[in-house]
Amino acid sequence: QKEVEQDPGPLSVPEGAIVSLNCTYSNSAFQYFMWYRQYSRKGPELLMYTYSSGNKEDGRFTAQVDKSSKYISLFIRDSQPSDSATYLCAMRGGTYKYIFGTGTRLKVLA
Amino acid sequence: NAGVTQTPKFQVLKTGQSMTLQCAQDMNHEYMSWYRQDPGMGLRLIHYSVGAGITDQGEVPNGYNVSRSTTEDFPLRLLSAAPSQTSVYFCASNLLVGGRNTGELFFGEGSRLTVL
Repeated sequence: QKEVEQDPGPLSVPEGAIVSLNCTYSNSAFQYFMWYRQYSRKGPELLMYTYSSGNKEDGRFTAQVDKSSKYISLFIRDSQPSDSATYLCAMRGGTYKYIFGTGTRLKVLA
Repeated sequence: NAGVTQTPKFQVLKTGQSMTLQCAQDMNHEYMSWYRQDPGMGLRLIHYSVGAGITDQGEVPNGYNVSRSTTEDFPLRLLSAAPSQTSVYFCASNLLVGGRNTGELFFGEGSRLTVL
């Protein structure tokens, strides 16, 4: 079993929709949770970073962490075609090793 | 400020050949790491370093060597390339504070390697 599970998609939504992306994990030592966005043929870039259970909001993006259920989510409001990319969840415990999900490919249709 | 720079962007090798993927960062980050990205597998950690002279293995280290002689550079060496090493390779760096990662990994643009 992988330490981090993420549905690979692809996920297609109309412009303006609310998008929900999710990851589950099995290692209770994970303390830090991140979401990265990766455009085609580019390196990942950080979208959200959090280390506590609950919600964190940044513009149209909300990251949610539920440590009791070992479940994290990223919500995108008013989705735009420019949001079309692969979204990677990432986690880290007390070590130097970041563990990534496989990524969910999102396409926002104009 | 260039960030994380990887060279080459593309490379084709024959089985058994050796090569080095270069990674340089200009942010004075102590932490540097190499990942490979394969379809359906996500990003997997190959090796990482927390400072000059200090390296350690990640999830998939076999077939790869690293060294860290300066803060800026962290090259990845393939001593005898195999088709299973066909992948996209990413270098990433991070600032350490008090010996701990501070969150954001800064990634390079990637190096696409094909081994025939």
